Amino acid sequence: EIVLTQSPGTLSLSPGERATLSCRASQSISSSSLGWYQHKPGQAPRLLIYGASSRATGIPDRFSGSGSGTDFTLTISRLEPEDFAVYYCQQYGNSIWTFGQGTKVEIK
Amino acid sequence: EVQLLESGGGLVQPGGSLRLSCAASGFTFNNYAMSWVRQAPGKGLEWVSVTVNNGRTTYYADSVKGRFTVSRDNFRNTLFLQVNSLRAGDTAVYYCAREYYGVFDIWGQGTVVTVSS
Repeated sequence: EIVLTQSPGTLSLSPGERATLSCRASQSISSSSLGWYQHKPGQAPRLLIYGASSRATGIPDRFSGSGSGTDFTLTISRLEPEDFAVYYCQQYGNSIWTFGQGTKVEIK
Repeated sequence: EVQLLESGGGLVQPGGSLRLSCAASGFTFNNYAMSWVRQAPGKGLEWVSVTVNNGRTTYYADSVKGRFTVSRDNFRNTLFLQVNSLRAGDTAVYYCAREYYGVFDIWGQGTVVTVSS
């Protein structure tokens, strides 16, 4: 089973700053199977990125995804107040879906 | 509007059972595989199970295999999760989600399952 490890666990930043979140897979995965989600307390998770780098419908262009093989990155170019949340990466393969443990982006 | 609405959660004793439901609207339900994903208190997201669009094939996480059963009624646009032999570790918010090329593009608001005596 592929394990996704996200870092850092918590990112303390101010509005307007750039956020860089990492997701590392325990073995090489297809970029087409990698997604990123935003999750706020009491709300449904929200798909941000699919196929490692494609933005989902309605997602602002300050969110971008990149990477291949075992190393993937979610970048938020300029943090808005509504972006403070927990972010998860997720991969699919062999009829199993796995999530990383999450990165919390908090207000500094 | 594309929407998923879960129901059926509640407080149940260890060893008990529940049947969770997820009503879909705003899209052609039988065109999509559907999954259940859960989040235990203070923990991250955990995929639980999936059923393909016609319901004939299902897959489960090892943690629930043999205890949980996913099914769907494409005439009523509804997804189900029968959860049996519940344990304290099954306490979580259970979300249904639409699968789209390996990711989950639509999520419900979740239903809470609490396993406690």
